[in-house]
Amino acid sequence: AQSVAQPEDQVNVAEGNPLTVKCTYSVSGNPYLFWYVQYPNRGLQFLLKYITGDNLVKGSYGFEAEFNKSQTSFHLKKPSALVSDSALYFCAVRVPGFNGGNNRKLIWGLGTSLAVNP
Amino acid sequence: GAGVSQSPSNKVTEKGKDVELRCDPISGHTALYWYRQSLGQGLEFLIYFQGNSAPDKSGLPSDRFSAERTGGSVSTLTIQRTQQEDSAVYLCASSLGSGTDTQYFGPGTRLTVL
Repeated sequence: AQSVAQPEDQVNVAEGNPLTVKCTYSVSGNPYLFWYVQYPNRGLQFLLKYITGDNLVKGSYGFEAEFNKSQTSFHLKKPSALVSDSALYFCAVRVPGFNGGNNRKLIWGLGTSLAVNP
Repeated sequence: GAGVSQSPSNKVTEKGKDVELRCDPISGHTALYWYRQSLGQGLEFLIYFQGNSAPDKSGLPSDRFSAERTGGSVSTLTIQRTQQEDSAVYLCASSLGSGTDTQYFGPGTRLTVL
């Protein structure tokens, strides 16, 4: 079965410190990988994605993520956290070649709550 | 430009009633998706539309759930004979419909079944 794991329910970091939110996946085939952020009472906002090419992808609000095929990971990082980064972060994967091809379904992790303390 | 919109934002209904949830995608997006977000279950895929057809309905949990899309635009998710376990936030997303595109989400409809 295809799955995504976010091993930490919550991450706490001090403002100005680097942050990492972890994501690992288990799929058959070559995945597309995504990070979304959800602020309280708001919808999911797209942060960044990996499709192919350079393993380090940069996204919105200073976030970046590194695709590591051997470790099947796609950890989200930011060099210096802001209090306003406090939110729920979701990792998702799509395997386009699955189920006969042109699979569009996103499979999600359960989310990681990031708290940035002033 | 305008993002994905959903209505109503909140819906409270009694067990056994039918409900309709509406999604207006971003203009020009040919693909539309429905997901459900519930506590402890995370986000789960329900159905995907390309134009007005639904190539993937694999996530619909039972035959009480149905969805349609008309004019390649607005979509309605209908839940018949609602049950308490249907309580969740129903999220709609749309995308350009190309192979590597990104799904953009609406604010969701919070459904509470009493």
